Amino acid sequence: DAGVIQSPRHEVTEMGQEVTLRCKPISGHNSLFWYRQTMMRGLELLIYFNNNVPIDDSGMPEDRFSAKMPNASFSTLKIQPSEPRDSAVYLCASSRQGATTGELFFGEGSRLTVL
Amino acid sequence: KQEVTQIPAALSVPEGENLVLNCSFTDSAIYNLQWFRQDPGKGLTSLLLIQSSQREQTSGRLNASLDKSSGRSTLYIAASQPGDSATYLCAVAGGTSYGKLTFGQGTILTVHP
Repeated sequence: DAGVIQSPRHEVTEMGQEVTLRCKPISGHNSLFWYRQTMMRGLELLIYFNNNVPIDDSGMPEDRFSAKMPNASFSTLKIQPSEPRDSAVYLCASSRQGATTGELFFGEGSRLTVL
Repeated sequence: KQEVTQIPAALSVPEGENLVLNCSFTDSAIYNLQWFRQDPGKGLTSLLLIQSSQREQTSGRLNASLDKSSGRSTLYIAASQPGDSATYLCAVAGGTSYGKLTFGQGTILTVHP
């Protein structure tokens, strides 16, 4: 199994630009999570999907952030317009919902730097 | 609101030593607790997952225990090796969704030869 795949691994952009981060979950997993990791705040859950439906987006910082999951094998996290304070590592994770284990598998992350 | 605390924040030990990492959480109503490892510039790798009904899980040199009533978990690493050097994160799943993890800040472990 390929694991959770994220792209790009690194993104450097200027303030005001649109940023799109991508995630492919593990095949057969029907829950997908977007986390943000910073030194100051650690790991924070932004949003998660079950069966492609957003269940909880209470962690999305503001309207500049949006996430979609058009099908079971693809999700995007978009920031528009980006700001320097959005600089962080964005991690995507997936799990098999319905089982009692709930073990999460993470991708390598997308490191975003907004200048 | 669930809060997860990990102690110590950093630990440096010589190779071969047995060590214990600690994790505490404020709300005992959890689905499970998961220990992760993160290497610099990498994502998180799941090490062990303990269901709320379990008391411990073992994988190789790793053993994780859970005392839900007291809100504590420990990760025991036997015969530590330099390759164990990483950040270890504890996360609990609670509330209405087991997937909504609350993470601790992590323990940075350095094992020197």
